[in-house]
Amino acid sequence: ETAVFQTPNYHVTQVGNEVSFNCKQTLGHDTMYWYKQDSKKLLKIMFSYNNKQLIVNETVPRRFSPQSSDKAHLNLRIKSVEPEDSAVYLCASSYWKDTQYFGPGTRLLVL
Amino acid sequence: GMPVEQNPPALSLYEGADSGLRCNFSTTMKSVQWFQQNHRGRLITLFYLAQGTKENGRLKSTFNSKERYSTLHIKDAQLEDSGTYFCAADETNAYKVIFGKGTHLHVLP
Repeated sequence: ETAVFQTPNYHVTQVGNEVSFNCKQTLGHDTMYWYKQDSKKLLKIMFSYNNKQLIVNETVPRRFSPQSSDKAHLNLRIKSVEPEDSAVYLCASSYWKDTQYFGPGTRLLVL
Repeated sequence: GMPVEQNPPALSLYEGADSGLRCNFSTTMKSVQWFQQNHRGRLITLFYLAQGTKENGRLKSTFNSKERYSTLHIKDAQLEDSGTYFCAADETNAYKVIFGKGTHLHVLP
């Protein structure tokens, strides 16, 4: 049963454009996450957001920014995409330090 | 070396067999998680451990922070266990996890 929703499924864009990905969870969790999985399937945590506290992975470029309107939503904006941003972006939610539930991912291709 | 080393990179076994995956850490970690990614790319959390051992059906995971390793055992492997298994460890309390490169598991009929 899907309870973490991501849109869009796929997005193709050109270098320098701005993109925004949406994530919504209906599980009542207090923490949400964004991960990046590259073409070699390597996973990296980008952000976690718990009770309005943002924890950032310091290796994430500044062009990436999370946006949260409430604890059920955590969107991801990329201000000016680069070719190396091509990846699958995975959203997840959980109670803090508990089992995470993942969305289906958004696949980004930067031309 | 890598903060999180995961072994083996790939593994094939027949249905019904038992097997173990391992992650070694270069430093003391506070917690570890294990995930399975299926062929469609869907990630599922298997375990979150701050210490000790947890079991769930045919799966069992152990985390030894002092000895710097974690293991995932799969008993009586089934075809649906095929996929990529990742461990992720956190040396902080702030969820700054580092992932292993994954073990690609192929269960053969």
